[in-house]
Amino acid sequence: SQQGEEDPQALSIQEGENATMNCSYKTSINNLQWYRQNSGRGLVHLILIRSNEREKHSGRLRVTLDTSKKSSSLLITASRAADTASYFCATVGYSGGGADGLTFGKGTHLIIQP
Amino acid sequence: DAGVIQSPRHEVTEMGQEVTLRCKPISGHDYLFWYRQTMMRGLELLIYFNNNVPIDDSGMPEDRFSAKMPNASFSTLKIQPSEPRDSAVYFCASSLSGGGQGAFSNQPQHFGDGTRLSIL
Repeated sequence: SQQGEEDPQALSIQEGENATMNCSYKTSINNLQWYRQNSGRGLVHLILIRSNEREKHSGRLRVTLDTSKKSSSLLITASRAADTASYFCATVGYSGGGADGLTFGKGTHLIIQP
Repeated sequence: DAGVIQSPRHEVTEMGQEVTLRCKPISGHDYLFWYRQTMMRGLELLIYFNNNVPIDDSGMPEDRFSAKMPNASFSTLKIQPSEPRDSAVYFCASSLSGGGQGAFSNQPQHFGDGTRLSIL
């Protein structure tokens, strides 16, 4: 079952605008990760935020985490055409025997219009 | 530095044939993951290894799928016999261990560029 669910499924904005994507998850987590996937390529790790962190920055990326709402957001500021990609959040679920592996949502497809 | 290397990049074969996908993880990484990506189901974890030992294969869809990791630098995912519904992009990823329960969970995963598999 999907642990993380991104919203919206697709987003189209003009170059230079900010893009915000959201992720909701179901179970307790130790951390949440965001990945980017360009067309025809593998996923690339962007940022990891731990459960005791509320906000984290990396360059033009800003990630927030609200564990009480089981949600996270990824903000890309001053978007560029090269930011066109799919963005995924990922979490690790824990069963009685230990970690179940990294579970990805279906992603937000971001299109930056020049 | 070389990233995760997968081969082949594309595979087209007829149903019933055996398919073998290959992966070379990043040197020094002790976790290896196999994923399958489709439009309908998204990215699904099939199996993962720690120090060459399979830890969780609950995502492997059927007995037709098998995975091995004979050494730290090589893994295979085999489908025998293949069926049209196996058509997907298969990714391999590797990561370091961060220590503790679910040790890979606090480490980024590094993905290969995938194998696009088409079963006719």
